[in-house]
Amino acid sequence: GQNIDQPTEMTATEGAIVQINCTYQTSGFNGLFWYQQHAGEAPTFLSYNVLDGLEEKGRFSSFLSRSKGYSYLLLKELQMKDSASYLCALYNFNKFYFGSGTKLNVKP
Amino acid sequence: KAGVTQTPRYLIKTRGQQVTLSCSPISGHRSVSWYQQTPGQGLQFLFEYFSETQRNKGNFPGRFSGRQFSNSRSEMNVSTLELGDSALYLCASSPALGDEQYFGPGTRLTVT
Repeated sequence: GQNIDQPTEMTATEGAIVQINCTYQTSGFNGLFWYQQHAGEAPTFLSYNVLDGLEEKGRFSSFLSRSKGYSYLLLKELQMKDSASYLCALYNFNKFYFGSGTKLNVKP
Repeated sequence: KAGVTQTPRYLIKTRGQQVTLSCSPISGHRSVSWYQQTPGQGLQFLFEYFSETQRNKGNFPGRFSGRQFSNSRSEMNVSTLELGDSALYLCASSPALGDEQYFGPGTRLTVT
C-alpha cells in the first residue's frame, strides 16, 4: 500500500472551519483526491491536486505538499450536512489507494 | 448525464455459491474500477478496466474476476463465496485512467 494515514474521527461545530489531514509515504504519484461519503451512500468526488498548493472549490479547499508528504481538506462554514466520512486517495502505479477515512461529526 | 448504475443493489447468497455484479458507467467514460468496502478494511481496490482490458488488479484471490464489454459496461464475478466476502461492492467510472472517479450506489452482498 501507500501508507495513507488520516485521523479516524473529528468533531466540529456548525459554522466553524475544520482541517482534515492526510499523510502518506510514497513519492511520484500522479494525483491526490478527496472524496466525501455519507453513511450508507457511495463516495462522491470533492477535489483533486496534482501540483503543490491550494485548490479551492466553494466551501471546500484541498492543499498538497509533495515534499512534506501531506495533504489537507479544509471545510469552511460547516453545515450539518457536512457530517460524513472524508476519504483521501492517491493514484499511483495505475491504482487508487484510499485512506481509511475521517468521520466528521458536525454539531449544532 | 445519468450516473453510474449498479445491479443488483442487494444480494444474499450462501457459502460456495457464485455471484455476478453489473456496472454501467457514465456515458463516455472508458475506465471502470471495482472496490470492496467493509467497516474494518475501508475501500479496497479490486481491479480497473479500460477499453476492455484489465489494467490492474488488487490483492484479492483468483475467485474475484471481472470483465469489460465494448460499450464499457463491466461485470465482476465472485466464485465459491465465503462469509468474508460479505461487503459493499462499489463500481466507479472515470473518463480516463487516473481521472477523478464517479461511484455507483454499490451492491450490498451478504453471504450466509
